[in-house]
Amino acid sequence: SQQGEEDPQALSIQEGENATMNCSYKTSINNLQWYRQNSGRGLVHLILIRSNEREKHSGRLRVTLDTSKKSSSLLITASRAADTASYFCATAGVTGFGNEKLTFGTGTRLTIIP
Amino acid sequence: KAGVTQTPRYLIKTRGQQVTLSCSPISGHRSVSWYQQTPGQGLQFLFEYFSETQRNKGNFPGRFSGRQFSNSRSEMNVSTLELGDSALYLCASSLLAQSSYNEQFFGPGTRLTVL
Repeated sequence: SQQGEEDPQALSIQEGENATMNCSYKTSINNLQWYRQNSGRGLVHLILIRSNEREKHSGRLRVTLDTSKKSSSLLITASRAADTASYFCATAGVTGFGNEKLTFGTGTRLTIIP
Repeated sequence: KAGVTQTPRYLIKTRGQQVTLSCSPISGHRSVSWYQQTPGQGLQFLFEYFSETQRNKGNFPGRFSGRQFSNSRSEMNVSTLELGDSALYLCASSLLAQSSYNEQFFGPGTRLTVL
């Protein structure tokens, strides 16, 4: 079963605009990660944010985490055609046994229109 | 450093056959995880290995198995293939034991088609 649900499922914007994707999850987490996948290829890690962090930046990416609402958002500023991809959030739980798996959300398909 | 490599990249099998997929992690990485990606179920965790030991296993039937060798290379095997096993199988490597607590590096995947 999926831990994360992403919203929207698909998003189309003009090049240069900002894109925002949201992720909600159900159980307590150690961290939340965002990955990008281009057209059926492998995933590329974007950002990892730990449960005690509220915001993180990496280049044109900004991730926020609200553990009280069990939600995260990924903002891509000044979008480019190369940002066209599927974006997934993934969460690692806190079972305490040291073997928590990474559980992926359903993904947001982002299309940048040149 | 070379990235995660997976072989073969594409595979076509028929129902009832078995298949073995291979994954070579980034040099120095000792943790390897496997995921199955399908349009219907999305990305699902299969198993994780660290230092030749299975640390975690997802909710898949016993037809799915894996192992890791002393050089950290990993293989996964699916026996008695079913049509529903058609998927993109992704391997990821991580430097540390608790891979889900750290960045994972994914390979390009093996696209398995079961006819």
